[in-house]
Amino acid sequence: EAQVTQNPRYLITVTGKKLTVTCSQNMNHEYMSWYRQDPGLGLRQIYYSMNVEVTDKGDVPEGYKVSRKEKRNFPLILESPSPNQTSLYFCASSSPGEPQHFGDGTRLSIL
Amino acid sequence: AQSVTQLDSQVPVFEEAPVELRCNYSSSVSVYLFWYVQYPNQGLQLLLKYLSGSTLVKGINGFEAEFNKSQTSFHLRKPSVHISDTAEYFCAVNKGGGSYIPTFGRGTSLIVHP
Repeated sequence: EAQVTQNPRYLITVTGKKLTVTCSQNMNHEYMSWYRQDPGLGLRQIYYSMNVEVTDKGDVPEGYKVSRKEKRNFPLILESPSPNQTSLYFCASSSPGEPQHFGDGTRLSIL
Repeated sequence: AQSVTQLDSQVPVFEEAPVELRCNYSSSVSVYLFWYVQYPNQGLQLLLKYLSGSTLVKGINGFEAEFNKSQTSFHLRKPSVHISDTAEYFCAVNKGGGSYIPTFGRGTSLIVHP
């Protein structure tokens, strides 16, 4: 089954404790992306990757890191999380010009 | 750079009434357009897409959208809504020519009342 898998689905943690949200896709898509969703703001892109070892900043990259060492994986790293990063996060993947396939989301709460 | 504007943040409607969710885009090149739906506590699912060809696009769950190049719009319509259509709807545009980069609107919350 074609899918984008995010882990964990839910996480409550404390300020400053490094965390990683994993994202994996099994569709051989070149393009992968991370979004955060906040009430009234819709989806805002954090980082994206056009292919292995190619990443670039989206609209709200501050406080986040990503890497793309393999085509299927695109982890999101919060080196020193802060409460303003409490949000719902989505990973997505696609081929050129095709619709994004989304994961089920990761709800992060940073206290 | 391309942008997407969803003109209504919230649309309340009664069950079985028709609905239109508005989306306008700005782009200087040909575009691909999409509508996604997000049901409560779920991820985003593709409703429909316009890549080329017929400007009237039919999607899942009885939704359709019409691409209007002169008005740079891609409004979503359904002739008769159900309670189960209550959800957040997002319009998105990929810049054409195979560009990877999508831009999403801020979303429209469709609230269907009995």
